[in-house]
Amino acid sequence: DGGITQSPKYLFRKEGQNVTLSCEQNLNHDAMYWYRQDPGQGLRLIYYSQIVNDFQKGDIAEGYSVSREKKESFPLTVTSAQKNPTAFYLCASSRNRNSYNSPLHFGNGTRLTVT
Amino acid sequence: AQTVTQSQPEMSVQEAETVTLSCTYDTSENNYYLFWYKQPPSRQMILVIRQEAYKQQNATENRFSVNFQKAAKSFSLKISDSQLGDTAMYFCASNAGNMLTFGGGTRLMVKP
Repeated sequence: DGGITQSPKYLFRKEGQNVTLSCEQNLNHDAMYWYRQDPGQGLRLIYYSQIVNDFQKGDIAEGYSVSREKKESFPLTVTSAQKNPTAFYLCASSRNRNSYNSPLHFGNGTRLTVT
Repeated sequence: AQTVTQSQPEMSVQEAETVTLSCTYDTSENNYYLFWYKQPPSRQMILVIRQEAYKQQNATENRFSVNFQKAAKSFSLKISDSQLGDTAMYFCASNAGNMLTFGGGTRLMVKP
């Protein structure tokens, strides 16, 4: 079955350490996205990529970095510069890179806890 | 910039009854889509329904329908014959260009 796989489901890190969240899709989608969700709140866009080797900052990119070396993969690194990294992170993809009508397909998310 | 506002943080409804979730948005784009997503306790985001802004006819998907008022920039979701499995967070979202902007969500509890 096609879909988006995020791993791991739960991740624990010490403050000051960088951590990378994995996101893989086998839907052959062009665009991929990373969202952050805090308790009781909506989703906020961190980064998105419309095509391989290209990505753009979203609303809350500070303290995060991404890469898009392959169409299927869009890993997110939470750096030590991110002041409040504990959150639920959702990866998503969409079929078209320049279409506003392509719905997002989401992964199951990664819960990151930094202590 | 787009903004999406959901003014009802929490709602409840009795099983089999109808409930309406509110959403307003603001965009300067002419072409855009509006979406409702559901996030059950599993936290998987699921697309419920979508509306094309240039279509006047309200979208429907089985028990789910929308009331799209373009001039008022309002996009409410009506759930008919509510079921226990409808218990979830519901997010309204607007997509203009390449970015999807979400509202803060409404937590819906369906009571038996």
